[in-house]
Amino acid sequence: RKEVEQDPGPFNVPEGATVAFNCTYSNSASQSFFWYRQDCRKEPKLLMSVYSSGNEDGRFTAQLNRASQYISLLIRDSKLSDSATYLCVVRGGYQKVTFGIGTKLQVIP
Amino acid sequence: GAVVSQHPSWVICKSGTSVKIECRSLDFQATTMFWYRQFPKQSLMLMATSNEGSKATYEQGVEKDKFLINHASLTLSTLTVTSAHPEDSSFYICSARGSRGTYEQYFGPGTRLTVT
Repeated sequence: RKEVEQDPGPFNVPEGATVAFNCTYSNSASQSFFWYRQDCRKEPKLLMSVYSSGNEDGRFTAQLNRASQYISLLIRDSKLSDSATYLCVVRGGYQKVTFGIGTKLQVIP
Repeated sequence: GAVVSQHPSWVICKSGTSVKIECRSLDFQATTMFWYRQFPKQSLMLMATSNEGSKATYEQGVEKDKFLINHASLTLSTLTVTSAHPEDSSFYICSARGSRGTYEQYFGPGTRLTVT
């Protein structure tokens, strides 16, 4: 089983739609969780950290479920500019950071 | 957010030559820097972790004699791909983490290496 698993997609959604991605992780001792966004041929950029209590930043909501070992990202009112690959990132012991393969989102006019 | 630069942004080299990639943290001191490699349609794969002033820690399967990492100062780490082969062609990205605060990593813009 991979340490961090994501559905690679692509998810094709119309503008204005709500879309959700999940990511599962295998190490129950994982400590920190993040969502990064990566545009084609560019470096990843931090989108948001994920906290146990859940957190929201504008149209983006991230949640963590430690019992089931998954994190989620919800995007409301999708914009064309949201088209990108969303990387799930998990930090475990010894500062080791593991990236998921990423989920590709394509928002369609 | 913090700024990390990488140089060069792209490089084409011949098989057998060596290529050096620089990663700099521009507005903060990076005690830890990470080097990743990303092949097309694949996730970032951590190659090594380097702490300023000490030897890098390489991930399993990464040849330390082929991928030389130097983290001589708190703002600069270098990755040298020695005796490059076409299969080394990839997108190399560094990231840096500061000495305090959260464990956020700030990524450089990446270096696209093509070995012919």
